Amino acid sequence: NAGVTQTPKFRVLKTGQSMTLLCAQDMNHEYMYWYRQDPGMGLRLIHYSVGEGTTAKGEVPDGYNVSRLKKQNFLLGLESAAPSQTSVYFCASRGRNTEAFFGQGTRLTVV
Amino acid sequence: KNQVEQSPQSLIILEGKNCTLQCNYTVSPFSNLRWYKQDTGRGPVSLTIMTFSENTKSNGRYTATLDADTKQSSLHITASQLSDSASYICVVAWRTSYDKVIFGPGTSLSVIP
Repeated sequence: NAGVTQTPKFRVLKTGQSMTLLCAQDMNHEYMYWYRQDPGMGLRLIHYSVGEGTTAKGEVPDGYNVSRLKKQNFLLGLESAAPSQTSVYFCASRGRNTEAFFGQGTRLTVV
Repeated sequence: KNQVEQSPQSLIILEGKNCTLQCNYTVSPFSNLRWYKQDTGRGPVSLTIMTFSENTKSNGRYTATLDADTKQSSLHITASQLSDSASYICVVAWRTSYDKVIFGPGTSLSVIP
């Protein structure tokens, strides 16, 4: 039972490069979320999805795009990476009446 | 403005001792409050969740309390262990068409032998 799996775990990008972070969950959860965590701050919501084929903006969506083509996967894309996007990214999922489960995080550095 | 504040920012205690972490929030309308434990380099893991009508919830050596009138919560850790060293995050949800949440900045706890 893998739970929530994020890939990759670490990545270094050059400014202007693009990349996609993958989140996969095997719990048949409806809701999926992407957060970023920065030192001294609480996790902040980037984008979220309340079901397959639907996405919505969170608190800090600029510079990111997402897609939920399959219920079990939630992809986070960086169109043109900037140093301000250096952060640890967490994916989470939950069912309608369950607690949220988090992935292990992706540490991204943009140089 | 909806906010979640936690205190202290960091705490060091001796193994075996008890400690209490605080969370104050201004979220309205309130839905529920959760405490998470986040080990270094890992994702947060849920410890407790409390709704408006619950004022205490236990999970092993962790006991959370909630005072919805004063909008305060505490997490009490009994007989601390080295493995309790982690960041403890208070998360408050408010009621909308789906539950939106605000994460507190966390309290970093270090348990030393």
